[in-house]
Amino acid sequence: EAGVAQSPRYKIIEKRQSVAFWCNPISGHATLYWYQQILGQGPKLLIQFQNNGVVDDSQLPKDRFSAERLKGVDSTLKIQPAKLEDSAVYLCASSYNRNTEAFFGQGTRLTVV
Amino acid sequence: AQKVTQAQTEISVVEKEDVTLDCVYETRDTTYYLFWYKQPPSGELVFLIRRNSFDEQNEISGRYSWNFQKSTSSFNFTITASQVVDSAVYFCALSEGGRNTDKLIFGTGTRLQVFP
Repeated sequence: EAGVAQSPRYKIIEKRQSVAFWCNPISGHATLYWYQQILGQGPKLLIQFQNNGVVDDSQLPKDRFSAERLKGVDSTLKIQPAKLEDSAVYLCASSYNRNTEAFFGQGTRLTVV
Repeated sequence: AQKVTQAQTEISVVEKEDVTLDCVYETRDTTYYLFWYKQPPSGELVFLIRRNSFDEQNEISGRYSWNFQKSTSSFNFTITASQVVDSAVYFCALSEGGRNTDKLIFGTGTRLQVFP
């Protein structure tokens, strides 16, 4: 079974530029999550989708971050404009349904300079 | 408020030693789930175990074992006869059931280094 796919693996941008990350979850998984992991910390949820609807985006900085999951399958996370403090690893995860174990992708390491 | 505390920032052991990683959690919910994940240098979080709040039985899987104690709000993880391949950052996480979201609340992680 293929795992959660994310791209790109690495991205370096200048502050105030925009960037987008892509995630393809495990086939058949209804729930999709985006987490932000700052160096030395545990991951923090940015947004959770159930199929193509948003379940929780309470910690998403909506003035600069946006995410969508069209057709309830793959998802994109965008940052516009980026700030230095957005430097982190962005992890996508999926689960078969709510409250089942989540499987994570390898993440996208973003560096904002 | 929900919180997960992993007080051990870094642990170093020599191969074949046993090592226990501590996890203490806080929640007001009666239904919740506890998890352990392993994060090797490649960056991917690897699922190890999920435990619900109504199941306090300890679990053993090969060299791994978990001790869940509701009385002390702890969910500790022991690796027996550690190996170099166990070197990674280990995260304990909490998810609260019965809510609209089942987001994982992670601790800050414990970096385990196993030396040959």
